[in-house]
Amino acid sequence: SQKIEQNSEALNIQEGKTATLTCNYTNYSPAYLQWYRQDPGRGPVFLLLIRENEKEKRKERLKVTFDTTLKQSLFHITASQPADSATYLCALDQGGSGYSTLTFGKGTMLLVSP
Amino acid sequence: DSGVTQTPKHLITATGQRVTLRCSPRSGDLSVYWYQQSLDQGLQFLIQYYNGEERAKGNILERFSAQQFPDLHSELNLSSLELGDSALYFCASSERGGASDEQYFGPGTRLTVT
Repeated sequence: SQKIEQNSEALNIQEGKTATLTCNYTNYSPAYLQWYRQDPGRGPVFLLLIRENEKEKRKERLKVTFDTTLKQSLFHITASQPADSATYLCALDQGGSGYSTLTFGKGTMLLVSP
Repeated sequence: DSGVTQTPKHLITATGQRVTLRCSPRSGDLSVYWYQQSLDQGLQFLIQYYNGEERAKGNILERFSAQQFPDLHSELNLSSLELGDSALYFCASSERGGASDEQYFGPGTRLTVT
């Protein structure tokens, strides 16, 4: 069966360090992989999208890697801040140009302490 | 603020009842998506519409139905409600409806079935 796995345990790090979150998947051939941030009781917020033929994508302090051989994506936040504390969701899309079937992992909570 | 609006914010109803959730997409977005989020299942894709037409279907129960109107707002109808339908329901919108689109999520409707 298809599975998207994110570490269910919260990741605790100190301010200023780099946070690295992992997303592993099985039995998917995603054309796209996205990362979202979700704060308690609020809707997810889009952060980054990476295509299957891209190895790495960056946006400000964020970096995503996508390894389709290992079936894994890593999400990095450099120089982390307490405001980065949230749950981060990995999502795969096997859709195409006219449709989307975004499937989400259950997310990893990140806690950044001052 | 994502620009996506959802009403109502909270809904409490009894088992066996029917409710309607409403969503207005961001200005300019043609595609609308519905998601259900519960503690045990995570965020699950239900259905996608593009410019009034159904484009993709996920794990949507037969008791649930949706539609997108000519003014692009969408409604999700949930009938014969069960305790297990208690969840956060999110609407999202995107410009073109393809897998490479980033999705903008609304604030959600919290449904409690008693």
